[in-house]
Amino acid sequence: DADVTQTPRNRITKTGKRIMLECSQTKGHDRMYWYRQDPGLGLRLIYYSFDVKDINKGEISDGYSVSRQAQAKFSLSLESAIPNQTALYFCATAQGPYNEQFFGPGTRLTVL
Amino acid sequence: EDQVTQSPEALRLQEGESSSLNCSYTVSGLRGLFWYRQDPGKGPEFLFTLYSAGEEKEKERLKATLTKKESFLHITAPKPEDSATYLCAVQFSWGQNFVFGPGTRLSVLP
Repeated sequence: DADVTQTPRNRITKTGKRIMLECSQTKGHDRMYWYRQDPGLGLRLIYYSFDVKDINKGEISDGYSVSRQAQAKFSLSLESAIPNQTALYFCATAQGPYNEQFFGPGTRLTVL
Repeated sequence: EDQVTQSPEALRLQEGESSSLNCSYTVSGLRGLFWYRQDPGKGPEFLFTLYSAGEEKEKERLKATLTKKESFLHITAPKPEDSATYLCAVQFSWGQNFVFGPGTRLSVLP
């Protein structure tokens, strides 16, 4: 089984709809991250969490919110989706502050 | 602003034709540099971490090196299965997060 899982894998929604992307991990890592990937722009950090009670905004947090329900679960919400939020979304985990990240398989989100 | 750039944007090689990918950064202090491989439709997969200038890491046909302002990913005698996008990420000394470059898309033709 995969160590970092994301659901759904693909989602098409309409402008103005609320949508939630979920991430779960079995690696036991304390840190979890949400990124979006757009062609030519690389991965950009949306939100990150160093533990259940520690949530921080990343580079591009506007229009997004997150919830860390447990050490193993980190959800990303788009309260009112807009077309420029169409992108590939990745969840990642890491153990400690200076170690490599492990990524989930991604969610392809299309907002019409 | 701290930035990470990668070159070339795309690279096509014949099988067996060695080459190098570049990751450059403008940084006030480097804590670590990370290389990842990303296959289409998948999440990035960790390859190497480099922490100090002069450091080198190797894995099969890949070797990563680090200087004060850039890193190279050398690919020796590549095979078609090495085709992927290669990403670098920098962790700066002032923080604990990572700044990713845009990636180099490598195609190795048989």
